[in-house]
Amino acid sequence: GAVVSQHPSWVICKSGTSVKIECRSLDFQATTMFWYRQFPKQSLMLMATSNEGSKATYEQGVEKDKFLINHASLTLSTLTVTSAHPEDSSFYICSATTGTSASYEQYFGPGTRLTVT
Amino acid sequence: DAKTTQPPSMDCAEGRAANLPCNHSTISGNEYVYWYRQIHSQGPQYIIHGLKNNETNEMASLIITEDRKSSTLILPHATLRDTAVYYCIVRVDPSLGKLVFGAGTILRVKS
Repeated sequence: GAVVSQHPSWVICKSGTSVKIECRSLDFQATTMFWYRQFPKQSLMLMATSNEGSKATYEQGVEKDKFLINHASLTLSTLTVTSAHPEDSSFYICSATTGTSASYEQYFGPGTRLTVT
Repeated sequence: DAKTTQPPSMDCAEGRAANLPCNHSTISGNEYVYWYRQIHSQGPQYIIHGLKNNETNEMASLIITEDRKSSTLILPHATLRDTAVYYCIVRVDPSLGKLVFGAGTILRVKS
């Protein structure tokens, strides 16, 4: 079945530095990829939607200059957390959809745990 | 997208059927009902979806009431590995791909 990977699975960085998280669709071409954030004991919150070759669409309240999303190919999207602060510590999850089935099923990655010290 | 209401938590004995309810009383005729689950510290996993008819796959069954205002996800023989947060999601346009997650139901399967 469709597999989505994320790298790294966890990362610790110092406050003020930037961190890049990769999301790859391993066995299918993803026309659309999504980025979610999940704080402890909370549900997933959609951050942005990205389509290959175009600018990402950010949800209300998500700073596009802080969370840079690049979807350069049909199998790779990256999320860069710029000038990270401790409040950015969270579980970041991507998902991808082929857009070819009638139900547009989403396939999720395993998530990346970011800790900012 | 229609709002869903789920109980915050449920317990189920191992080997028994787990029945997880979801209310979506404001659902529209073109909205699908989706179920995902999330095991601790992992990404969500798709389980099943339906529009108006009952659906069954290798993981679960989805029962949608005739008026479509509620549905039930059934795990026929729950195992300890089914312990997870289960999300019921209703979305209007599958082509948009956007999923809005609510609080979900924490299902604890106990031996």
